[in-house]
Amino acid sequence: NAGVTQTPKFQVLKTGQSMTLQCAQDMNHNSMYWYRQDPGMGLRLIYYSASEGTTDKGEVPNGYNVSRLNKREFSLRLESAAPSQTSVYFCASSDGGITYEQYFGPGTRLTVT
Amino acid sequence: EDQVTQSPEALRLQEGESSSLNCSYTVSGLRGLFWYRQDPGKGPEFLFTLYSAGEEKEKERLKATLTKKESFLHITAPKPEDSATYLCAVQAWRSGFQKLVFGTGTRLLVSP
Repeated sequence: NAGVTQTPKFQVLKTGQSMTLQCAQDMNHNSMYWYRQDPGMGLRLIYYSASEGTTDKGEVPNGYNVSRLNKREFSLRLESAAPSQTSVYFCASSDGGITYEQYFGPGTRLTVT
Repeated sequence: EDQVTQSPEALRLQEGESSSLNCSYTVSGLRGLFWYRQDPGKGPEFLFTLYSAGEEKEKERLKATLTKKESFLHITAPKPEDSATYLCAVQAWRSGFQKLVFGTGTRLLVSP
């Protein structure tokens, strides 16, 4: 099992450009999440998908959109990148049950200039 | 508001020197407290879940404990490979869905 995979690993964008971060999991988990991690701020939830076909906003959704393509895949789109979106982005998944452990991907380091 | 505070921010130990990391939390109705390990340039790796005060979990040199207000991650006789950032998170209800609220982590460096 690969667990949670993310592409790309690194990306540099200019202000105003758009891009999509891809995430896939092979653990048959129902729930998937997108976080950003910034120095001194901890992991913050951007969007989540409780189950296939549903998505909802987390703590910091502004400037992002998501798509739950199927049970395996959950993508994050930046429509018009801003320097404030420079961060490391992590995708995670969980079975959504009572145990609730989340399993994280390796991350995408995004720089917006 | 649900909050997680970890201390110290950074900790430097000699190999074999035992210590503890602290995670204090305020949450409306704790449903679970999680410890993760994060190596540089990688995603967090799940370590433990604790659900109720008095609960303890162990894995190799690590032992996690939980009280009503805080959790400790005890590291016994650490080795250099234990160097990492340790993250604490609590499971909380927000907007009708269970979510994880993370602390900012403790960076642990174990020197040989």
